[in-house]
Amino acid sequence: DAGVTQSPTHLIKTRGQQVTLRCSPISGHKSVSWYQQVLGQGPQFIFQYYEKEERGRGNFPDRFSARQFPNYSSELNVNALLLGDSALYLCASRSFWGASYNEQFFGPGTRLTVL
Amino acid sequence: GQQLNQSPQSMFIQEGEDVSMNCTSSSIFNTWLWYKQDPGEGPVLLIALYKAGELTSNGRLTAQFGITRKDSFLNISASIPSDVGIYFCAGPPRYMDSNYQLIWGAGTKLIIKP
Repeated sequence: DAGVTQSPTHLIKTRGQQVTLRCSPISGHKSVSWYQQVLGQGPQFIFQYYEKEERGRGNFPDRFSARQFPNYSSELNVNALLLGDSALYLCASRSFWGASYNEQFFGPGTRLTVL
Repeated sequence: GQQLNQSPQSMFIQEGEDVSMNCTSSSIFNTWLWYKQDPGEGPVLLIALYKAGELTSNGRLTAQFGITRKDSFLNISASIPSDVGIYFCAGPPRYMDSNYQLIWGAGTKLIIKP
């Protein structure tokens, strides 16, 4: 079975632009979480979605938004990009709301570079 | 954002040596997780700890949930080249409403001397 997939793998944008990152969870998984990982740091929680509803939001500005589709895939949107938004964006999928951490899997991430 | 305090930041070791790293927080955690991240990949869960004082092993890896609930330790015995990577501690602090919003350390980078 395929793992968590994310697209694109790499992306280069300029300041002020908008970007959309995509995540396809493991088949059958209903929860998707997004994390931002700046170089040299651990991931920072951005959003969690379960059954197409937002269930959690980290300390990120309103320029960050996300949604989950009926097929449980998800998009993360970032508007008015800043240099500081350059990071690896990770998506994690989990089978159901009460599933253990052993049942959460991360994708390889999308590397966003803002120039 | 808040992060756990993880040390050391990096380690240079000889193949076959044992490795120890730790993670501390000013807040109490009910769960401690240890992940490994290889270049170009997402983190992979190594060990999950759910109870203060718990000691859990996964092959050559052993992790412990500190008694105070504010720290955790990871040991790797007889290191091998594939142990190279970045090790992260993570967990959902008790003060958070959702236990899925993980807080992470900055990582310990393990490098094996040639």
